[in-house]
Amino acid sequence: DTGVSQNPRHKITKRGQNVTFRCDPISEHNRLYWYRQTLGQGPEFLTYFQNEAQLEKSRLLSDRFSAERPKGSFSTLEIQRTEQGDSAMYLCASSLNREKLFFGSGTQLSVL
Amino acid sequence: GQQLNQSPQSMFIQEGEDVSMNCTSSSIFNTWLWYKQDPGEGPVLLIALYKAGELTSNGRLTAQFGITRKDSFLNISASIPSDVGIYFCAGPPTNDYKLSFGAGTTVTVRA
Repeated sequence: DTGVSQNPRHKITKRGQNVTFRCDPISEHNRLYWYRQTLGQGPEFLTYFQNEAQLEKSRLLSDRFSAERPKGSFSTLEIQRTEQGDSAMYLCASSLNREKLFFGSGTQLSVL
Repeated sequence: GQQLNQSPQSMFIQEGEDVSMNCTSSSIFNTWLWYKQDPGEGPVLLIALYKAGELTSNGRLTAQFGITRKDSFLNISASIPSDVGIYFCAGPPTNDYKLSFGAGTTVTVRA
């Protein structure tokens, strides 16, 4: 399978716990994006990497959120001290050019 | 991000009918993208449009890039049950690389 892979697919956690999600992009894609999607809405931009450099972070990304892409390949998104409002689908996408993003299946986070 | 307005929000259609939906923006876009999302999955790219006035087809799907560059249209012909899902328009506003998404049009097909 050469698509974008995200793990885990589902995560249930208790408020206050830390969670980490992983994204493996399409291998030749140098751009990687994280988006968040809540019910009834389209995806909202969180952050963007070109190779290993994190070039932009949305204001939606509070200090409790951190993303890394250490070798310019896979990426991780960590949420510390989760809150119920963090419950959402977290989507990873990769691209070769600027516009055509290819998304993974997402990680559905539920914070109890 | 930029506000993209999709219309209608939802639609119920009979199998075999043609479907039309649109997307408008207050800003000029240089690229329009249409995605489809099934429940519990990520969005899947359907069609990409790069020029004002461009009309592009992908099977039973046809999308158009509006000549004002502030709107786009998606048509599905002869709908089938697997057309059920949420259709999103998206694009990077001029001088930006981030995709902004509309809130989606939910399509439900009655057999």
